[in-house]
Amino acid sequence: AQSVTQLDSQVPVFEEAPVELRCNYSSSVSVYLFWYVQYPNQGLQLLLKYLSGSTLVKGINGFEAEFNKSQTSFHLRKPSVHISDTAEYFCAVSGNEKLTFGTGTRLTIIP
Amino acid sequence: KAGVTQTPRYLIKTRGQQVTLSCSPISGHRSVSWYQQTPGQGLQFLFEYFSETQRNKGNFPGRFSGRQFSNSRSEMNVSTLELGDSALYLCASRSLGTNSYNEQFFGPGTRLTVL
Repeated sequence: AQSVTQLDSQVPVFEEAPVELRCNYSSSVSVYLFWYVQYPNQGLQLLLKYLSGSTLVKGINGFEAEFNKSQTSFHLRKPSVHISDTAEYFCAVSGNEKLTFGTGTRLTIIP
Repeated sequence: KAGVTQTPRYLIKTRGQQVTLSCSPISGHRSVSWYQQTPGQGLQFLFEYFSETQRNKGNFPGRFSGRQFSNSRSEMNVSTLELGDSALYLCASRSLGTNSYNEQFFGPGTRLTVL
């Protein structure tokens, strides 16, 4: 069985400040890891994914994440946030079957 | 390529009714998955169809069913609606290769409200 824990349900950040959204996972098999973003009244958009190889993964909109196998973490980071980053962010894990999602982190950017 | 499309975008039903939601995948994608998103339970996997066969199923009651047509379009049906079925229903499509992960692309969702 797989599971994902997103430790923060809400994260407020000042504009142009850095942000880290935390994600921990558990799985008995090798996994693929993802971060999705959901803007209001929209579906999910893939930000980035870790399948194999380099543990530092770069995605769209300036986001990056680091896969840490020993800590079973896949935290999402951005060095400088913008108002347009206001959205809900979901971490997900898959063994190439269904996606198992975390409960989401609502990122609010303060002007 | 056009993205995943879902119809209708919004639906209002009353308890006890049934509802059918539709999903058209990205051209060439033969796998379609359905997810339910609610504030209380988050995003939960319903089922996946590939080549008109259910390939994987989540932990939902039998009131939730789906099917896939030969053109890969998929429908999901919920019978005897309950208030708790109010949710955003998301559809995702992907191609299925043999040696690598195949990314799922999500549609905008259908917002179902049960009164």
